Amino acid sequence: DVKVTQSSRYLVKRTGEKVFLECVQDMDHENMFWYRQDPGLGLRLIYFSYDVKMKEKGDIPEGYSVSREKKERFSLILESASTNQTSMYLCASSSGLAAYYEQYFGPGTRLTVT
Amino acid sequence: AQKVTQAQTEISVVEKEDVTLDCVYETRDTTYYLFWYKQPPSGELVFLIRRNSFDEQNEISGRYSWNFQKSTSSFNFTITASQVVDSAVYFCALKGNNFNKFYFGSGTKLNVKP
Repeated sequence: DVKVTQSSRYLVKRTGEKVFLECVQDMDHENMFWYRQDPGLGLRLIYFSYDVKMKEKGDIPEGYSVSREKKERFSLILESASTNQTSMYLCASSSGLAAYYEQYFGPGTRLTVT
Repeated sequence: AQKVTQAQTEISVVEKEDVTLDCVYETRDTTYYLFWYKQPPSGELVFLIRRNSFDEQNEISGRYSWNFQKSTSSFNFTITASQVVDSAVYFCALKGNNFNKFYFGSGTKLNVKP
């Protein structure tokens, strides 16, 4: 079974804190993704990575950065958390070998910034 | 431009009713893939089905069926004899020539009442 794990299910942080969200996949997938999910807005892509040390901005990258030092691990960083970053964060991975491969998702991290 | 529209924000049905979730997409790519995912209350998105743009055959899997029509750019999902366990948020997604990127609709929340 493909496994995508995220470091925390729930996280509470204060405004201005630096926040790290970690994601690990065990299927040797090339592609990894970070989304945020908000009611009525669906999934919005923050960043994705198609290879180690490679990254591309998604639709809403402002206020976020990412790191991919190893193939299996993709980190999302909130440099200075703000209350409007309170959301559910979902990590996903997929094979980059062909177009038809689906994404596999982690369980999500619900982040609250106070 | 790539876009997926799920016009139904929330649907409520009584158990054993049939229900159809609508998905309309926009793309200029000639080759693309369409997906449906289920997100139960636990939060993790689960892959349900994939369809490529060259295969317009409908698919049935148990109580689930999918109707893909290129002429109307739609990929609708029907649950027959709904059950309480079908209660979830359902997402339709599109992947085009840039097969690193998925485009998700805003989701349809299905409530199945006993």
